[in-house]
Amino acid sequence: GQNIDQPTEMTATEGAIVQINCTYQTSGFNGLFWYQQHAGEAPTFLSYNVLDGLEEKGRFSSFLSRSKGYSYLLLKELQMKDSASYLCAVRLRGSTLGRLYFGRGTQLTVWP
Amino acid sequence: DAGVTQSPTHLIKTRGQQVTLRCSPKSGHDTVSWYQQALGQGPQFIFQYYEEEERQRGNFPDRFSGHQFPNYSSELNVNALLLGDSALYLCASSLMVAGGPEQFFGPGTRLTVL
Repeated sequence: GQNIDQPTEMTATEGAIVQINCTYQTSGFNGLFWYQQHAGEAPTFLSYNVLDGLEEKGRFSSFLSRSKGYSYLLLKELQMKDSASYLCAVRLRGSTLGRLYFGRGTQLTVWP
Repeated sequence: DAGVTQSPTHLIKTRGQQVTLRCSPKSGHDTVSWYQQALGQGPQFIFQYYEEEERQRGNFPDRFSGHQFPNYSSELNVNALLLGDSALYLCASSLMVAGGPEQFFGPGTRLTVL
């Protein structure tokens, strides 16, 4: 099976920077996704990496190293509204876009 | 532009019953994927529909079945409900060909099996 691992919980203070790590062991790889999910709501797309390197999008950046099976999501200038679960997901080679393998999610709590 | 919609929002059933959940994809999307998310877990892929056919299936028993209609909307059916089927059921839509990497999730249906 596929193994996607991320920390269960993290805490940080408003205005700080936090890095959420994700490691994966999969049979074939064709892209890594990060989603944000507030309690009781749908996951919303944050970022997508298919090649090694850093993708930046405003306060959010995502990094991928395929050789290490490793990604991180970097959140800068944290705000209270960033308190949510952050889901790392992998698409496998040969799978369509809609089929993703998700980690358990990292619950981030931002304190004032 | 309507996003992904799902109905009902919440549902309570008893063991052994059957349930049907519904999903309308985002306008312009032709592919619907269904996920089960247990409390404290990430979503798990159930199956995907495109052109009214099941295209891919995750590790779920035959009790889970689905359908896609000509207007791209979809249903998820679960027979012989078990307590362990209690979860948030998410529908996600995307465009099969020439679409971006993003798929859009609906708000989900919270199913409770007593």
